[in-house]
Amino acid sequence: QITLKESGPTLVKPTQTLTLTCTFSGFSFSTTGVGVGWIRQPPGKAPEWLALIYWDDDERYRPSLKSRLTITKDTSKNQVALTMTNMTPADTGTYYCAHRQYHADSGTGGAFDIWGQGTVVTVSS
Amino acid sequence: DIVMTQSPDSLAVSLGERATIKCKSSQSLLYDSDNKNYLAWYQQKPGQPPRLLIYRAFTRESGVPDRFSGSGFGTDFTLTISRLQAEDVAVYYCQEYYSTLRTFGGGTKVEIK
Repeated sequence: QITLKESGPTLVKPTQTLTLTCTFSGFSFSTTGVGVGWIRQPPGKAPEWLALIYWDDDERYRPSLKSRLTITKDTSKNQVALTMTNMTPADTGTYYCAHRQYHADSGTGGAFDIWGQGTVVTVSS
Repeated sequence: DIVMTQSPDSLAVSLGERATIKCKSSQSLLYDSDNKNYLAWYQQKPGQPPRLLIYRAFTRESGVPDRFSGSGFGTDFTLTISRLQAEDVAVYYCQEYYSTLRTFGGGTKVEIK
């Protein structure tokens, strides 16, 4: 059974750096095709994908936020971290980490099939 | 960038009746290498994360009731709830995973009439 859980601060001040951690179980980065992503959802709006890290250390970022984001993985701890610099009130929302499907039949990636419960981040002075 | 447009924004359906949600992509989501449409549908209830219902446009995720079905090809997709139940009240999102951005649609809120 795959589970993921996000942790991190609930309140950050403008210009500060946010660091979130996703701790997961039920899968491993030693398996070909594994990917973990971060997605955020502003209050009352649609989700927005932020970043993804793969089993082979490949990293992908939302282009508009690429300069502010860093995603890393710690295989020994089963954790994925997301760092976002220069936070503003517009970054307020719920931040989720999620497991990405992998279709072995085609060797291609899929949708996000398992999500954490999310962590609410408020940016305010 | 791919734009995902959902319609309607909201709909109210009687219990046991059909609910139909549309999703239109600004470009084809058909991946040439495997001939699959890279389109997913999610259900989100208040205070919960999105739940994957459908992937590859019409493949139901394990554990999803068979009253949920996906259809469509290329740029036009549909999620159908064949017999609406009270527990289906939620916001539904489509998402493309064809592009790097993995863009979500704006969502459709389904309520009971």
